Amino acid sequence: EAGVAQSPRYKIIEKRQSVAFWCNPISGHATLYWYQQILGQGPKLLIQFQNNGVVDDSQLPKDRFSAERLKGVDSTLKIQPAKLEDSAVYLCASTLGAGQGGLKTQYFGPGTRLLVL
Amino acid sequence: TQLLEQSPQFLSIQEGENLTVYCNSSSVFSSLQWYRQEPGEGPVLLVTVVTGGEVKKLKRLTFQFGDARKDSSLHITAAQPGDTGLYLCAGESPEAGKSTFGDGTTLTVKP
Repeated sequence: EAGVAQSPRYKIIEKRQSVAFWCNPISGHATLYWYQQILGQGPKLLIQFQNNGVVDDSQLPKDRFSAERLKGVDSTLKIQPAKLEDSAVYLCASTLGAGQGGLKTQYFGPGTRLLVL
Repeated sequence: TQLLEQSPQFLSIQEGENLTVYCNSSSVFSSLQWYRQEPGEGPVLLVTVVTGGEVKKLKRLTFQFGDARKDSSLHITAAQPGDTGLYLCAGESPEAGKSTFGDGTTLTVKP
């Protein structure tokens, strides 16, 4: 079974530029998560999708971050404009079932490492 | 927001030694998970504990969930270099159903 795919694996940009990350979850997984992991810290949830609807985006900096999952399968996360403090690993994860009401096994992708100069 | 504190932050030991890492909170969790993350990869689930006082064993790893479901520990017996990595705990809030990650313990096992 193929795992969660993410691209690109690495990205270097200058501040104020835009960047987009792509995630393809495990086939059949309804719930998709985007996390931000700053060096030395644990993953912080940015947004959670259930199929193509947003379940939780309370910690997403909406002035610069946006995410979509139009067909309920793959997803993109965009940052525009990027700031120095956005340098981090952006992890995508998926679960078979709904995230609320029970902690389901999250399968993580390898992440995209973003460096903002 | 429920906070999970993990300790120690860093741990460096020799192959064959035993170790315990901790995950503590002032909040109650409905369940707690332990993950291991290797450099350049995403976290991989090791175990989920649900019941207060629960103990689960996975080969040389022993996981315990506190009676009050506020804390957990991970004990590794006879550590091996392959155990090297970042160990993360994540707790699920009983009210909101949301999960929160700790900042992890970075373990290095030297041959």
